[in-house]
Amino acid sequence: IVLTQSPVTLSLSPGDGATLSCRASQSVGRAYLHWYQQKPGQAPRLLIYATSNRAAGIPDRFSGGGSGTDFTLTISRLGPEDFAVYYCQQYDGISRFSFGPGTKVDIK
Amino acid sequence: QVHLVESGGGLVKPGGSLRLSCAASGFTFSDHYMSWFRQAPGERLEWVAYMDSGSRYIIYADSVKGRFTISRDNARSSLFLQMSSLRVDDTAMYYCVRGSSLTGFDAWGQGTLVTVSS
Repeated sequence: IVLTQSPVTLSLSPGDGATLSCRASQSVGRAYLHWYQQKPGQAPRLLIYATSNRAAGIPDRFSGGGSGTDFTLTISRLGPEDFAVYYCQQYDGISRFSFGPGTKVDIK
Repeated sequence: QVHLVESGGGLVKPGGSLRLSCAASGFTFSDHYMSWFRQAPGERLEWVAYMDSGSRYIIYADSVKGRFTISRDNARSSLFLQMSSLRVDDTAMYYCVRGSSLTGFDAWGQGTLVTVSS
């Protein structure tokens, strides 16, 4: 399953809202779609698991949704620490994992 | 506090071998699925290998199948990745990761860099 993410880059200001899209080439089970945040020089951090569940310690300004082939990550009010690259990731239910190419959220 | 520390990376010639290790602490290692992921410079994340807590269920990415072997020692809370027939395109930061297909991958080490070059 190939994941595509849009937009490639999102230029926003602190306090803005952001909606990131992840589209799959085939249907993905909601239980198998997750989102990560990665900052330069750091390992990724799990934000959302199973489409809509926040991981431990993740603030409630992050939310996820979607089903089938279309999923979204929403950040309601960008904090200065939220400028990063965001990846969606899926498991095909058989034997393969894959990531999208990422969306970079940078400061306008 | 969950802690994953990778070691064993370095510079190796094409065709060579390398063994990565990961020391886990702060959680019950034997209860968790574990994986290796990698990321080439400027590229997206790539899954490499995945195994269940009892080493019964193991899967590999097509790009490494037959060349890499994942293993674990639950008594020592350690995860390993034996890499052979290394290629230039295996150059990447390699991450030791806790998690599963259902929970997502919720703990990552800081990575160990593998460079394959002549």
